[in-house]
Amino acid sequence: AQSVTQLGSHVSVSEGALVLLRCNYSSSVPPYLFWYVQYPNQGLQLLLKYTSAATLVKGINGFEAEFKKSETSFHLTKPSAHMSDAAEYFCAVSTWGAQKLVFGQGTRLTINP
Amino acid sequence: GAVVSQHPSRVICKSGTSVKIECRSLDFQATTMFWYRQFPKQSLMLMATSNEGSKATYEQGVEKDKFLINHASLTLSTLTVTSAHPEDSSFYICSARWGDGYTFGSGTRLTVV
Repeated sequence: AQSVTQLGSHVSVSEGALVLLRCNYSSSVPPYLFWYVQYPNQGLQLLLKYTSAATLVKGINGFEAEFKKSETSFHLTKPSAHMSDAAEYFCAVSTWGAQKLVFGQGTRLTINP
Repeated sequence: GAVVSQHPSRVICKSGTSVKIECRSLDFQATTMFWYRQFPKQSLMLMATSNEGSKATYEQGVEKDKFLINHASLTLSTLTVTSAHPEDSSFYICSARWGDGYTFGSGTRLTVV
């Protein structure tokens, strides 16, 4: 079975500062890992995904994440936060052939002017 | 890219009535769709997995008779909340597997009064 833990339910950074959202996973087989963003009353938008190719994954809106097997981590980063980045972020895990996508608890990102 | 269209985006219904939510895959065939429920400021909880032409698989604790799922074609899955009560008020999101990832509907805000 797979599981995901997002460290920090709420992260607050200043505009222009580094964004770091933490995600650790547990999986007995090679995982597929995803980061999604959700704005209020909307569905989920894919930021990026890791599916066993390059360990450093670049996504939309300047976000990237690095898959570290030794640390079972898939942290999301962005060098310079923008006000429009304020949203809820979800890390999720699946595996090849698995049906389910398992979500972390979510991290609410607040950007301070 | 693969698009899942979810309707309605918002619905208000009276207690005791039933509400149907539709999810359509617009440019691909979705053999499997997933239905999630999301409470305010919480993560997505998988309710059930619907497979075209067969019975849905419900997660533990989800009432099958209350949340009726039908996946009669490769492009349409529906969730019917029967005899709705105020505690069923929530945000419902559908999703479909697409390639090595998942695509999500825009969600339905259900309010039962």
